[in-house]
Amino acid sequence: EVEMLESGGGLEQPGGSLRVSCAASGFTFSRHAISWVRQAPGKGLEWVSEISGSGDSTYYADSVRGRFTISRDNSKNTLYLLMSSLRSEDTAIYYCVKDGLPTRFDAWGPGTVVTVSS
Amino acid sequence: EIVMTQSPLSLSVPPGQPASISCKSSQSLVHSDGNAYLYWYMQRPGQSPHLLIYEVSRRFSGVPDRFSGSGSGTDFTLKISRVEAEDVGTYYCMQGINMPLTFGGGTKVEI
Repeated sequence: EVEMLESGGGLEQPGGSLRVSCAASGFTFSRHAISWVRQAPGKGLEWVSEISGSGDSTYYADSVRGRFTISRDNSKNTLYLLMSSLRSEDTAIYYCVKDGLPTRFDAWGPGTVVTVSS
Repeated sequence: EIVMTQSPLSLSVPPGQPASISCKSSQSLVHSDGNAYLYWYMQRPGQSPHLLIYEVSRRFSGVPDRFSGSGSGTDFTLKISRVEAEDVGTYYCMQGINMPLTFGGGTKVEI
């Protein structure tokens, strides 16, 4: 069974940094692109970033480019998102989402809550 | 950036009745390979989203056949043939043809 499990969320001050992680299991991790999708309180879904299976290619939403860095460790079946220069508008649930072929986002984790506030 | 526009924002449907959600994209979602990269997700209250439909009309594993997707180019529709209590939640369309990936604003379905 495919499982995605996020961790590392919490409260951080504006301008600070936080790293969230996602442990994956139940599939061949290195063969699949993985994305981060976030959901601000009471709002809709926003794609944040994607990394290819090898880690060679990365993509970012304009709202986070230059501040967030996505990475992965295929030896540990783990995905990371390093968030820097955090803003209040980054407050959200952050979901780790697996890509399939030809499906997209076919497995979601329960999410980890990131709150940016002074 | 491709803008995805869903309508209605919300709808209330009696159990057993059909429901229909529209999703329009600002650009064609048809790739040169002939496929259209339009997806539908559902999020029940308090839960993570999950995939319902991929490539416009293909039901994901385990999705009941009362859910169907249709459309082409820039206009797409998700239909529920007979709404059940477990269908309550918010539905999102998403385009997967261009980066950044973009979602519609969501349609809340109530009974």
